[in-house]
Amino acid sequence: SYELTQPPSVSVSPGQTARITCSGDALPKQYAYWYQQKSGQGTVLVIYKDSERPSGIPERFSGSSSGTTVTLTISGVQAEDEADYYCQSADSSGTYVVFGGGTRLTVL
Amino acid sequence: QLQLQESGSGLVKPSQTLSLTCADSGASISSGGYSWSWIRQPPGKGLEWIGYIYHSGSTYYNPSLKSRVTISVDRSKKQLSLKLSSVTAADTAVYYCARTIITMLQGAYFDYWGQGTLVAVSS
Repeated sequence: SYELTQPPSVSVSPGQTARITCSGDALPKQYAYWYQQKSGQGTVLVIYKDSERPSGIPERFSGSSSGTTVTLTISGVQAEDEADYYCQSADSSGTYVVFGGGTRLTVL
Repeated sequence: QLQLQESGSGLVKPSQTLSLTCADSGASISSGGYSWSWIRQPPGKGLEWIGYIYHSGSTYYNPSLKSRVTISVDRSKKQLSLKLSSVTAADTAVYYCARTIITMLQGAYFDYWGQGTLVAVSS
């Protein structure tokens, strides 16, 4: 079955830039989406269609794509950004949804 | 701001059927203009897509769960529902409903999520 691979954890100091990667063979053909999950606060879409930012999401969140890897970048990380981040895409047919394993962002 | 709320039994016995419903704060589920998904997350683990139902009524399920899952919309009750049969301890998870945007060009993604409801499978 198709898989998306994320690093289990990323740590940065406040004000630095965090980069979370997501790799998958179908990513050149399928869009990627990113979700933020904070404990007790629900799940929020932060990036859609690789690099678009939904209304209400701070500008410090951005997304990019290169070949089989997509990247979520958080510039000027704040303490409130500490959360689990999940990438999501589809298999090569575009029918079945797949999530990455998730990355815990720790703000030191 | 759309608000989704999952509800159902929090404890299910092994081999029985898990049943959950999802209601929204507006009339989105009953309007027929949107697609809807169920997603789950075992304690301490990542997200797993269960399946979605198109606004047309067509359904697509995760191949690993397909034989046990039924997703439906009852527009008269304005509810989305999930049934998962023959459950085992491996089905213990927080279950989320989510509004789903699906297009041929974009694929599927989830723009609004419920808070989730924990279902434990235990005798």
